[in-house]
Amino acid sequence: QSALTQPRSVSGSPGQSVSISCTGTSSDVGGYNYVSWYQQHPGKAPKLMIYDVSKRPSGVPDRFSGSKSGNTASLTISGLQAEDEADYYCYSYAGSYNYVFGTGTKVTVL
Amino acid sequence: EVQLVQSGAEVKKPGESLKISCKGSGYSFTNYWIGWVRQMPGEGLEWMGIIYPGDSDTTYSPSFQGQVTISADKSFSTAYLQWSSLKASDTAMYYCARHQTGAVGPTRADYWGQGTLVTVSS
Repeated sequence: QSALTQPRSVSGSPGQSVSISCTGTSSDVGGYNYVSWYQQHPGKAPKLMIYDVSKRPSGVPDRFSGSKSGNTASLTISGLQAEDEADYYCYSYAGSYNYVFGTGTKVTVL
Repeated sequence: EVQLVQSGAEVKKPGESLKISCKGSGYSFTNYWIGWVRQMPGEGLEWMGIIYPGDSDTTYSPSFQGQVTISADKSFSTAYLQWSSLKASDTAMYYCARHQTGAVGPTRADYWGQGTLVTVSS
């Protein structure tokens, strides 16, 4: 299946909010409430930030939030901080034990 | 503490075979799915496939079916990713990731290995 579509980059000043969209189809994002989001700093392994569309794992700051409408999921970072500068990927269940990642978004803190 | 520790970086020639590993500790290895993810240089994450070590039930991405083999040895709490004949285009970082299970099966990758860099060059 095709990768989920994310914007290539988003940016914001410290303290601002940014949102990243993740657009798929009714066979993946729209069909299941199993979208998760990962943060990846350069040279590091990805880290789970949001799961099941909007749930936060223990230890993830509450400035990270997730939502979904139809075939598009979104990650919002409120109160942007310098350490939030990283690449972000969405990941969705796509049925029959298949999965698909998003194309990735680079978040820049100005 | 849950940990996934992957084998070290590899440099191989085209046509050679390779098997990399991912050893789990700090949890019941047989009760969680392990997925493999490719990241080519400067590119995004790609889902390759997933295995349930308890019974070796395996699903491959259509993009990787027939190109790699995923296996697991529960007696060693280790999952494997192998190639029979490497190509230059297999040059990438490869991650393993433990998956938590939801109502439909594995739904999210909650712990990741540190990655294994595979370089294929003549």
